[in-house]
Amino acid sequence: DIQMTQSPSSLSASEGDRVTITCRASQNIGSSLNWYQQKPGQAPKLLIYVASTLESGVPSRFSGSGSVTDFTLTISSLQREDFATYFCQQSARTPHTFGRGTKLEIK
Amino acid sequence: QVQLQQWGAGLLKPSETLSLTCAVYGDSISGYYWSWIRQSPGKGLEWIGEVNHGGSADYNPALQSRVSMSVDTSKNQVSLRLTSVTASDTAVYYCARVQVLELFGWFDPWGQGTLVTVSS
Repeated sequence: DIQMTQSPSSLSASEGDRVTITCRASQNIGSSLNWYQQKPGQAPKLLIYVASTLESGVPSRFSGSGSVTDFTLTISSLQREDFATYFCQQSARTPHTFGRGTKLEIK
Repeated sequence: QVQLQQWGAGLLKPSETLSLTCAVYGDSISGYYWSWIRQSPGKGLEWIGEVNHGGSADYNPALQSRVSMSVDTSKNQVSLRLTSVTASDTAVYYCARVQVLELFGWFDPWGQGTLVTVSS
């Protein structure tokens, strides 16, 4: 299975901050990397697919980049509603696998 | 707007069979793959498998011996069965549509989740 390693596992930040979350794949996955946001008691919600394509309706302060094994999710200016947990997921090969998540908390 | 509504038994005893159903509203299940994913504190998010409208399925090897997925096109529903459950199968279970573009895929949208607890 392809292992997905996210860092950091948790992050404290303030509104207006720029934050970056990293996801590393254990082997080459090309651009087959997706990002999800999950709030407590809710299902994950798609933010970015194919490494850098913003899902319709997702604010432009979210962006994704990377390829092969190293990927990043950046939030350019944190808003209160962005405090949540973020997951990466690879779809290059089954079984599809997820990172363990990054919990973004208010400082 | 596509919505997924799921249901099933939330409390099982060890060795029983987990059975969940996911109804799709606002779109036909034909033409897509539909996945089941579970989430637990210990294992995080774990892909269980996926099935298409024709019944062709792909399962996580870790669960393959115990899992089966099926579709009912007349009801626009997808179902999951997991046999011989143990406490380690305790998790929130989600259904999700698999969106595909060329060789790429992603999960969107997701059902609301069903908490399944396995306890004697």
